[in-house]
Amino acid sequence: QKEVEQNSGPLSVPEGAIASLNCTYSDRGSQSFFWYRQYSGKSPELIMFIYSNGDKEDGRFTAQLNKASQYVSLLIRDSQPSDSATYLCASALGGGADGLTFGKGTHLIIQP
Amino acid sequence: KAGVTQTPRYLIKTRGQQVTLSCSPISGHRSVSWYQQTPGQGLQFLFEYFSETQRNKGNFPGRFSGRQFSNSRSEMNVSTLELGDSALYLCASSLTGDGNTIYFGEGSWLTVV
Repeated sequence: QKEVEQNSGPLSVPEGAIASLNCTYSDRGSQSFFWYRQYSGKSPELIMFIYSNGDKEDGRFTAQLNKASQYVSLLIRDSQPSDSATYLCASALGGGADGLTFGKGTHLIIQP
Repeated sequence: KAGVTQTPRYLIKTRGQQVTLSCSPISGHRSVSWYQQTPGQGLQFLFEYFSETQRNKGNFPGRFSGRQFSNSRSEMNVSTLELGDSALYLCASSLTGDGNTIYFGEGSWLTVV
């Protein structure tokens, strides 16, 4: 059974600080990893994807992947109140057409 | 560029009825996936269609079915509705099905009473 685990939170971070979100996955065959942001009552929005071990940076966001530890993380630098949302981690065996396996999400609150 | 359009946005059905949900993908996208989102189970993959063919299927009972038309529009159907089918049903549009090109629609909120 493929599983992606996330701490549900809420994770409270002061504005301007670094928010660190983590997830672990159970299927060693997973090849692709995604971070989605979902505001309350809205649909998920892709913010980062990563395929290779190491770090991948995009603006204020950095995704980190460690396949040996089956661990994926997302760092948000200079956190803003608009970053307050639920962050969903997802994995896929292939590119994603086989279906993404989602964690249940971490609720992030950025305190002004 | 128009996004992913799902209809209806909200609906209420009675146990035992069936429901059909529709999804129009982004123009040029040939892959359409469906997901169910509930507070208890989170987001779960239902199935994926590409060029009118179901390529992948999640772990849902046969009451859940779908199809894709030649214009890439897709429908999903749930027969013999159960209370547990109450959920947000999300359609995802993609050029090829790869996760790095997936865009979600706003979803259809289904309540079964």
